[in-house]
Amino acid sequence: EDQVTQSPEALRLQEGESSSLNCSYTVSGLRGLFWYRQDPGKGPEFLFTLYSAGEEKEKERLKATLTKKESFLHITAPKPEDSATYLCAVQVAGTALIFGKGTTLSVSS
Amino acid sequence: GAGVSQSPSNKVTEKGKDVELRCDPISGHTALYWYRQSLGQGLEFLIYFQGNSAPDKSGLPSDRFSAERTGGSVSTLTIQRTQQEDSAVYLCASWGGDHYEQYFGPGTRLTVT
Repeated sequence: EDQVTQSPEALRLQEGESSSLNCSYTVSGLRGLFWYRQDPGKGPEFLFTLYSAGEEKEKERLKATLTKKESFLHITAPKPEDSATYLCAVQVAGTALIFGKGTTLSVSS
Repeated sequence: GAGVSQSPSNKVTEKGKDVELRCDPISGHTALYWYRQSLGQGLEFLIYFQGNSAPDKSGLPSDRFSAERTGGSVSTLTIQRTQQEDSAVYLCASWGGDHYEQYFGPGTRLTVT
């Protein structure tokens, strides 16, 4: 069964304290791995798509990496405005995205 | 339009009533998805439309749920005889163009009393 697991469920950081969020997956025929940010009361906001192992993408303080079994979202020197729930999802051929339950990040100043 | 829009943003209904939720995808996007997000749970796939192909309904939880997409654009998700366990945020997403990205609407929060 295709499955996506995110860890930790919740993460509290001090402003400037870098860390990483993990997304592990067991799927057959991965077409892409996606990271989204979701703020309370809003729909998920697209961040990155990764297609193959070894690929990396960056956006401001965020960097996403992909291996054959997992993806990491690295957050460098986070700010309070980075506080949100970060969702990971995978797409296998011909289907919609399969989402993990997310990691809720809280960054305090 | 500039993004995916959904209406209403909030819907409160009595148990047993039918509801319709609307999604306007990004213009030109050929694929449209409906998801459900319950408190503390991940996004749950409901149904998927791709162009003129038959929709993938494999995620619909029961036959009380149905969806249609008219003219390859606007989609309506209908829930008949609503139950309290249907309370959730219903999210629509569209996908298309040259970029391999799925964009979400703001969602409709459904509360069944």
